[in-house]
Amino acid sequence: EAGVAQSPRYKIIEKRQSVAFWCNPISGHATLYWYQQILGQGPKLLIQFQNNGVVDDSQLPKDRFSAERLKGVDSTLKIQPAKLEDSAVYLCASSSQTGGNQPQHFGDGTRLSIL
Amino acid sequence: GESVGLHLPTLSVQEGDNSIINCAYSNSASDYFIWYKQESGKGPQFIIDIRSNMDKRQGQRVTVLLNKTVKHLSLQIAATQPGDSAVYFCAENFYGSSNTGKLIFGQGTTLQVKP
Repeated sequence: EAGVAQSPRYKIIEKRQSVAFWCNPISGHATLYWYQQILGQGPKLLIQFQNNGVVDDSQLPKDRFSAERLKGVDSTLKIQPAKLEDSAVYLCASSSQTGGNQPQHFGDGTRLSIL
Repeated sequence: GESVGLHLPTLSVQEGDNSIINCAYSNSASDYFIWYKQESGKGPQFIIDIRSNMDKRQGQRVTVLLNKTVKHLSLQIAATQPGDSAVYFCAENFYGSSNTGKLIFGQGTTLQVKP
């Protein structure tokens, strides 16, 4: 089966600009996650969707980050305006059911650099 | 609190030897644990998982041990190969205020395999 697809692979922007990332989960997976991975650290959950509804966005900086999954399949994550501290890899993952008690399958991420 | 940690940041082993990567978790109520392997420039790749009602689980060349008494998790890799070189993350399913739980990742251990 095809894995989680993410684009772009790399993005370089200046601070205060906006940026968007796209994710296509594994076919049939109802749950989609966005993680932020800062260099040298483990991934940190930003937001979790079940179909097109938000399950958990408690760690999403909502003043600048937004995410949507309008049709319950693809998802986009946006940052506006970007700050230097947003430099990280943004990972998308999916699983067949919601919750953290099962394997999540990750894409290769988008590496974001803020100048 | 939400904390999963690893004992050593870097582990260097000789090709063919067995590797043991350790992880301490903080939440005694966590019911699920998972190990991921992350190669440079790629997303985390699922290795093996274990539920809290088990203390050992084996896969192909890998074994995960869970000691709930001391909140310790380990990953054993048999006959380590150069292709095993990567960063290894443990994660626990942490509920906190969530009914569904979410994965909390540790900082990661870098495994270096010497030929």
